[in-house]
Amino acid sequence: QKEVEQDPGPLSVPEGAIVSLNCTYSNSAFQYFMWYRQYSRKGPELLMYTYSSGNKEDGRFTAQVDKSSKYISLFIRDSQPSDSATYLCAMSAGQNFVFGPGTRLSVLP
Amino acid sequence: GAVVSQHPSRVICKSGTSVKIECRSLDFQATTMFWYRQFPKQSLMLMATSNEGSKATYEQGVEKDKFLINHASLTLSTLTVTSAHPEDSSFYICSARPAGTGGYEQYFGPGTRLTVT
Repeated sequence: QKEVEQDPGPLSVPEGAIVSLNCTYSNSAFQYFMWYRQYSRKGPELLMYTYSSGNKEDGRFTAQVDKSSKYISLFIRDSQPSDSATYLCAMSAGQNFVFGPGTRLSVLP
Repeated sequence: GAVVSQHPSRVICKSGTSVKIECRSLDFQATTMFWYRQFPKQSLMLMATSNEGSKATYEQGVEKDKFLINHASLTLSTLTVTSAHPEDSSFYICSARPAGTGGYEQYFGPGTRLTVT
């Protein structure tokens, strides 16, 4: 079993849809949970981070962490074509990150 | 704030030559920098972690004699791919952690695409 699992997609949705992206993990030591957005041939850009369990909202983005289920989610409301990118979850126990493989999202106008 | 640059953004080199990639934190000091490798449509794989003034810590399976990492200052780390081969062609991304932080803080550079012919 991989340490972090994520559906690679591709995921295509119409503009305005609510997008749900998810990751599962196996290492219970992870305390920090991040979501990154990566456009083609660019470096990852931090979208959200959460420490331990709970929800966090920032504009159209909501991150949820359920440590009991070892499951994290990122919701994107009112999705826009500019949201089309690869979304990577990342987790850390304090020093190094472990990344999921990324989900490719396409938001169709 | 928290800008990380990489140079060059793209490089093509011949097999057997060496290539140096620079990673700079432009507006903060980074005690720790990370080097990742990313193959097409795959996730980032951590290659090594470098702390300023000390030797890098390499992940299992990464040849330290092939991928030389130097973190000589709080704003600069370099990755040198020695005796490059076509299988070294990849997207190399660095990240930097600001001094005094931990946990979630890593800021990524824009990446360097290396093509070895």
